Amino acid sequence: DTAVSQTPKYLVTQMGNDKSIKCEQNLGHDTMYWYKQDSKKFLKIMFSYNNKELIINETVPNRFSPKSPDKAHLNLHINSLELGDSAVYFCASSQDWAGRDTQYFGPGTRLTVL
Amino acid sequence: KQEVTQIPAALSVPEGENLVLNCSFTDSAIYNLQWFRQDPGKGLTSLLLIQSSQREQTSGRLNASLDKSSGRSTLYIAASQPGDSATYLCAKTSGSRLTFGEGTQLTVNP
Repeated sequence: DTAVSQTPKYLVTQMGNDKSIKCEQNLGHDTMYWYKQDSKKFLKIMFSYNNKELIINETVPNRFSPKSPDKAHLNLHINSLELGDSAVYFCASSQDWAGRDTQYFGPGTRLTVL
Repeated sequence: KQEVTQIPAALSVPEGENLVLNCSFTDSAIYNLQWFRQDPGKGLTSLLLIQSSQREQTSGRLNASLDKSSGRSTLYIAASQPGDSATYLCAKTSGSRLTFGEGTQLTVNP
């Protein structure tokens, strides 16, 4: 069973389009995250949700809007895509928000903006 | 300044060698320190988590140490194998926020 899954795995789109990436975890965790890994492989947190509530919102353009319909899902919607949005986006989850336990990562979604 | 720094950026060793990966971090007020492994085109897999009150953790051939006072952590891999080839990332946790280093790309040659 896949613990943290993301769809799609690859996403190629034109500049200016709007796209969504979906994430689901079947671990029963309360907290979910979105990370961005850029071309230099640097991984940086974007958002964190605990029990469907936003708890971390790093300095991310407001073109990025996370949505958590329930504890098991955290989707990422991106408006007006730009070239600089090309990256690998990882979803993760953990038991709670306090950082006491490890985070489990999905396989990533490679977004390419042309 | 980078909050988490990893040295070296890349390392190539022959199979069977013992090796050490280094991680340094600013701000000793961390909750825990984690080491992850990332294979090409894949997500991250947690290897070891050291709570701030602990000094080290061991799992099989892996041993991670933590020295909060100096802001350093090391990952020791014993008897390296080609299957250990991957990028190793350390991350400090402050609350819910994981801050990653840039990783060390390890290649173990048969």
